[in-house]
Formats: sequence, structure tokens, C-alpha cells
Amino acid sequence: QVHLEQSGAEVKKPGASVKVSCKASGYTFTSHYMHWVRQAPGEGLELMGIINPSSGITSSAQKFEGRLTMTRDTSTSTFYMELSSLKSEDTAVYYCARETLRGDFDDWGQGTLVTVSS
Amino acid sequence: DVVMTQSPLSLPVTLGQPASISCRSSQSLVYSDGNIYLSWFQQRPGQSPRRLIYKLSDRDSGVPDRFSGSGSGTDFTLRITRVEADDVGLYYCMQGKTWPYTFGQGTKLEIK
Repeated sequence: QVHLEQSGAEVKKPGASVKVSCKASGYTFTSHYMHWVRQAPGEGLELMGIINPSSGITSSAQKFEGRLTMTRDTSTSTFYMELSSLKSEDTAVYYCARETLRGDFDDWGQGTLVTVSS
Repeated sequence: DVVMTQSPLSLPVTLGQPASISCRSSQSLVYSDGNIYLSWFQQRPGQSPRRLIYKLSDRDSGVPDRFSGSGSGTDFTLRITRVEADDVGLYYCMQGKTWPYTFGQGTKLEIK
């Protein structure tokens, strides 16, 4: 059974960085791309980026280029998302989501709330 | 980026009645392999999104057959034959044809 377990809530000051983890289990780690999606309070879903767990190659949505770093650790089956130069507008719940087919996100993490406040 | 536009944004429905949500894309979602990579997700209050429909009309194994997806080209519809209390929440379409994948704004389904 596929399970994506995310790290706990974070509170950060403007200008700081945050690193969120997503530990995958129940499937072959390198067989499925992983996406990061965020949802600001009361807002919709926003795709941030994708990582190929086999090669480590990533692609970020243009809005996040230069601020978003996605990595993975194959030894622990864990994905990481680091967002730098945080602003109050980055306050959101961040999700990891596993892709099977194109645009088919069959499993999601439970979400990690990141609050950016001075 | 492909723009996804949902309507309505708010959908009050009487229990047991049908409901439908429209999703339009700014360009055709027909991929080079002939498939349409359009997905629908449900997000119940306080929960993570959950896959309902993928590849236009394929239903997740745990999803009731009251839910169905259809459409072609740029116009897509999610239908619920008989709304139940458990269906309350937000519904999103998402295109998977072109990176970056993009979501619709979301439709809030509530019980009248």
C-alpha cells in the first residue's frame, strides 16, 4: 500500500528557507515521478515542480524558478522540497503527490503547513 | 501555460439530486498518443486532495460509480448522479498534457 508521509508544520520568518520532506513507502521508489503542490489558505491548488526519482532531474514551474530546490534520497526513499527567500505569500499547505500517468496523481501526502510570519 | 477554467465555482445541490461541474482548457488536451490527460480531484474539508478520475474518464478503484468524467478537446465535465452528504468539498480539474500541469480554480460543492 502506497504511503507518503510528510514532515511536520513549520514557522519561518520572511527571507528564510524551509525544507519539507516526503517519505515514500509501499512501492518502488524510483518508478514514479513526484510532484510538489501547494495550497494557500482559502485558495486553490498550485503545482510547483516535479522530480524524477531515478535521475534526480527536476523541473520547476516558472513562478518558483530560482527559489525552489527539489531533491531525493534513494537510500531512505525520501523526497525533499526546499523553498528559499520566503515571503508571507508563501504561507500554505505543501503536498507531495505521486504521478502514475500524465496528470494522474494517485497518492498524496497529508500536507505540511508552512507559515511565514515576522 | 494551459489555463483551466471551471464553472460554477459554487454548487449548492439537494441531497439525492445530480450535479455537474464544467472544466474548459485554453487549448486542446489531446496528447500525441490520442489520449486526453484530464484528471478530477476531490478535496474534502481538512483533507488532502484525492483522485477521482484520470485520463478523462477512468475512475479510481475506490470511487463510487456515481462519479463519471467525460468530454473532448477543450470541454470536460464531472458528473455526480446522486449527491450524498459525503460529497461535500472542493473539486478540481487538472490537465496533464503540457508541463507545467495546471489546475482549475476549484468548485465548492455544498448541500442545499
